[in-house]
Amino acid sequence: DQQVKQNSPSLSVQEGRISILNCDYTNSMFDYFLWYKKYPAEGPTFLISISSIKDKNEDGRFTVFLNKSAKHLSLHIVPSQPGDSAVYFCAASGAYSGAGSYQLTFGKGTKLSVIP
Amino acid sequence: NAGVTQTPKFRVLKTGQSMTLLCAQDMNHEYMYWYRQDPGMGLRLIHYSVGEGTTAKGEVPDGYNVSRLKKQNFLLGLESAAPSQTSVYFCASSLGLVQYFGPGTRLLVL
Repeated sequence: DQQVKQNSPSLSVQEGRISILNCDYTNSMFDYFLWYKKYPAEGPTFLISISSIKDKNEDGRFTVFLNKSAKHLSLHIVPSQPGDSAVYFCAASGAYSGAGSYQLTFGKGTKLSVIP
Repeated sequence: NAGVTQTPKFRVLKTGQSMTLLCAQDMNHEYMYWYRQDPGMGLRLIHYSVGEGTTAKGEVPDGYNVSRLKKQNFLLGLESAAPSQTSVYFCASSLGLVQYFGPGTRLLVL
């Protein structure tokens, strides 16, 4: 059963407009949420995170919103640039686990294409 | 500071062959992870380690073994490769929540 869902496999946006990537989760024990960005033939790179005690976190052009009651988060990119074209993964983690590490559960990713 | 490196970048194996994928990190991270990425499947955790000499199973451990003899290295072994293990393998390391990924190893099993 998929605990982290990204229901849109792809998204196309005009340069300069807002990109909104969505993510839903089912496990209410998740405490932290992260977004990773991945270019072809490269590893994922960390973009931004949010704790479950917050509903918004902002870093430059990137803002993540968390709606705990709906078990939904979204990543907003404003303004979108061609260099933002990549696959974006949503990931979730419970609190520090008994095994001693923050294990991440990833969604399947959304491919964003920013059209010049 | 190279971060997380993976060797090799690409490999072709025949069914039944064995191989070892090497991951190295120079950030002194305690935690290391091996993932596989398949089309439409996202990243799935194979095995992970919370410190030198320790390993644990992730979501999809069958057919793989791992070792963490040195803090900076995490090895992923395939004893008898199967076509279902054709995938892109990513190693990651972390001190806490944020994991830092290597560039990946593309493996094709014929």
